[in-house]
Amino acid sequence: DTEVTQTPKHLVMGMTNKKSLKCEQHMGHRAMYWYKQKAKKPPELMFVYSYEKLSINESVPSRFSPECPNSSLLNLHLHALQPEDSALYLCASSQDIFSGANVLTFGAGSRLTVL
Amino acid sequence: AQRVTQPEKLLSVFKGAPVELKCNYSYSGSPELFWYVQYSRQRLQLLLRHISRESIKGFTADLNKGETSFHLKKPFAQEEDSAMYYCALSNSGYALNFGKGTSLLVTP
Repeated sequence: DTEVTQTPKHLVMGMTNKKSLKCEQHMGHRAMYWYKQKAKKPPELMFVYSYEKLSINESVPSRFSPECPNSSLLNLHLHALQPEDSALYLCASSQDIFSGANVLTFGAGSRLTVL
Repeated sequence: AQRVTQPEKLLSVFKGAPVELKCNYSYSGSPELFWYVQYSRQRLQLLLRHISRESIKGFTADLNKGETSFHLKKPFAQEEDSAMYYCALSNSGYALNFGKGTSLLVTP
């Protein structure tokens, strides 16, 4: 299995809802990432997990809460989002954060719409 | 601070013509540079990385430290090359920082 799988593919939620995005990989990668991509813009890094520990938080608002239950899974919990949070959320994984020329494998993304 | 600059938002070429997508970077250490590609309705995927010095789908990119550039080139563009191309820089193996991207359109 050489893929990163993200669910759901599409999510519509109200500003008071609580929802979660899920990401899974079975490549034995020990680093996992969340990126946010707005239309016609490059991906922007949100969080990095290394060996199930949060390594980087790019000053993301607390209404986004990441979780890494084990080395294969990465969640992004969403609560009290704003319409401007509507975007494509990309998960990625890599062997680890220490390897030279660290190659990221991306999922297809979860398209989030906040009403 | 590290930064990746892709000066062209859109590049349009005819099929069979050479293509060059520009990428410049600023980084104080030894950079690790990549080109990622996003075809329509497909996921973002690695095209090539400077460390491997390989040619993928006819594309090559050479790291020029003097000019701080990592331009992507292909001698003869094909219609299936139409996509969004992102140059990206990795900070000591950490997560990627992407340029703003160049949309390549190859017309027949």
